[in-house]
This record gives sequence, C-alpha cells and structure tokens, in this order.
Amino acid sequence: QKEVEQNSGPLSVPEGAIASLNCTYSDRGSQSFFWYRQYSGKSPELIMFIYSNGDKEDGRFTAQLNKASQYVSLLIRDSQPSDSATYLCAVWTGNQFYFGTGTSLTVIP
Amino acid sequence: DGGITQSPKYLFRKEGQNVTLSCEQNLNHDAMYWYRQDPGQGLRLIYYSQIVNDFQKGDIAEGYSVSREKKESFPLTVTSAQKNPTAFYLCASSINRGSNYGYTFGSGTRLTVV
Repeated sequence: QKEVEQNSGPLSVPEGAIASLNCTYSDRGSQSFFWYRQYSGKSPELIMFIYSNGDKEDGRFTAQLNKASQYVSLLIRDSQPSDSATYLCAVWTGNQFYFGTGTSLTVIP
Repeated sequence: DGGITQSPKYLFRKEGQNVTLSCEQNLNHDAMYWYRQDPGQGLRLIYYSQIVNDFQKGDIAEGYSVSREKKESFPLTVTSAQKNPTAFYLCASSINRGSNYGYTFGSGTRLTVV
C-alpha cells in the first residue's frame, strides 16, 4: 500500500464548475497535509495546507481533512482553464514527506 | 527575491558519464532535498540534508551522491552507476527537517541520457 494515494485522472470539468480532488493516506499519525499544483514541465507550487480536521478556505480553494477516515480533499470553485494542471497531495508524517502521484485536471472552456 | 535556483534546466548525459546538478537557495533554510519525478510515479526522495556537512539517503539513493559544504548549496551528482537516470529532478528546501510549512521547490532539471 502506498503512503499517499490519489486518483490519477484525468479529471475533466467545464469552466465555472467545482473540481473535487481526493487523496487518502496510510499513516494515521500524519500531522500535516499539503496540496501542490504542477503545470506541465514545471515544478510543484504550494497552494494549500491543512493541519486540523474540517475545512480551510483560501479564495476559490477549499481543503478538507478527515483524519478519522484518513482522507484529504481539495475543492476548486469556479474552475478556470488556468487551473488545468496536475495536483499533488503531500503528507508530512512527522518523519518524512510523502507525495501522491498526482491527479491531472483539465478545465474545459 | 528569495528562492531556489536549479541549473541547468536541461542536461544530457552520455553513457558512463557523471553529471552534477546544481541547487542554490537564498531562503536561509536549513533543510534541503533532492527528488526524482518520473511519469506516473510521483516524487521519490533521493537525498536530504538537515544541516551543513550532513546528509542522509532517501528511498532511491543508489547511483547518486550529494554534498552540503554550504548552507545555500546542495549539488547532486548522478553517477554512471545510475542505470536509468532520465527523469525530472527537483530540489527543494524547508525551514528545517521538521517543518510543517511544506517545501519550496526549484524549477527543476530535466536529465536525458543520450
């Protein structure tokens, strides 16, 4: 079992819709959770992090964490074509970061 | 502006050749990391360093070597022992090894064997 698992996609949504990206992790003691956006051929950039159960909102982005279910998600509201990228979920276990393989998102104009 | 600079952006290696990838940061971060990214496999940790003159192997260290003589610099050498080096290499840094604030990544080096 991988430490962090994501559906590789591709996920396609129409412009203006809500994109929902999901991630599960195996280490129940994991402490903090991150979402990175990676455009093709570029390096990952941090867009959200969350430490506590519940929701955290930043502009059009909402991160959701459920530690009991070992599940973290990223919602993108009012999706734009510029949101088309691969989204990496990362988990800090207290000892090491683990990255998922990423979910490819395409926003269709 | 603070950040991480990786060079070169593209690198070509011949069979049996050692090549060195540069990584420099001016963020005053203690911890630095090297990752390899292959399609469909996500990021895999090669080496990391928490302080100057100290570094630890990651999950896939075989065929690679690093040094950390200065806080700002963490070069990665891909040796001839690395049989499948074609990949996208990412350098990252964080305030310290236990940082909860995530990583800052460099722009990456794409290495191709020719």
